[in-house]
Amino acid sequence: SQELEQSPQSLIVQEGKNLTINCTSSKTLYGLYWYKQKYGEGLIFLMMLQKGGEEKSHEKITAKLDEKKQQSSLHITASQPSHAGIYLCGADPTSGTYKYIFGTGTRLKVLA
Amino acid sequence: DAGVIQSPRHEVTEMGQEVTLRCKPISGHDYLFWYRQTMMRGLELLIYFNNNVPIDDSGMPEDRFSAKMPNASFSTLKIQPSEPRDSAVYFCASSFRNQAFFGQGTRLTVV
Repeated sequence: SQELEQSPQSLIVQEGKNLTINCTSSKTLYGLYWYKQKYGEGLIFLMMLQKGGEEKSHEKITAKLDEKKQQSSLHITASQPSHAGIYLCGADPTSGTYKYIFGTGTRLKVLA
Repeated sequence: DAGVIQSPRHEVTEMGQEVTLRCKPISGHDYLFWYRQTMMRGLELLIYFNNNVPIDDSGMPEDRFSAKMPNASFSTLKIQPSEPRDSAVYFCASSFRNQAFFGQGTRLTVV
């Protein structure tokens, strides 16, 4: 079955540092989504990537999808305490089914 | 729009009791998803609907779990009888094509 592997599982960085979170699939993806979750809350949509080689940015967060559409990275520049939370990648493994699956998440802590 | 609304936010029940979780999707969305999140297994898709029709319920763990969507603005997830291992956060999400929007979740504790 389709699985999404995220790395690292947890990350602690000093405020102002850059960081990268990776999401890897064994199969081609038909849509890759990044969400952020704070403890006790729902998931907040960050970005969606659909085309191989696509890159999107929002404020200090940049997400990329590789050409084979099997790996994505989320990069945060000059991290802030407000970036802390759990980052999850999600994907639609089969075109048109919208049967979204999710990675296990990366827990980010930013030290002020 | 107020987003996806779930109720209750927290539920504590005794083993063997029936539990019903409720969800109001975003108006106009044609897909509705029920997920369960635990520390051990992460976010798991239980069932999803398209235009109120269940499309895939392969993620529903056992016959004790059932979900309905009687109309476009309401869905329920029922567990009967509940067991301690059902304790988790249950999320409802809705979407129109891409980009699923999630509710705040229901934290279920079965004692």
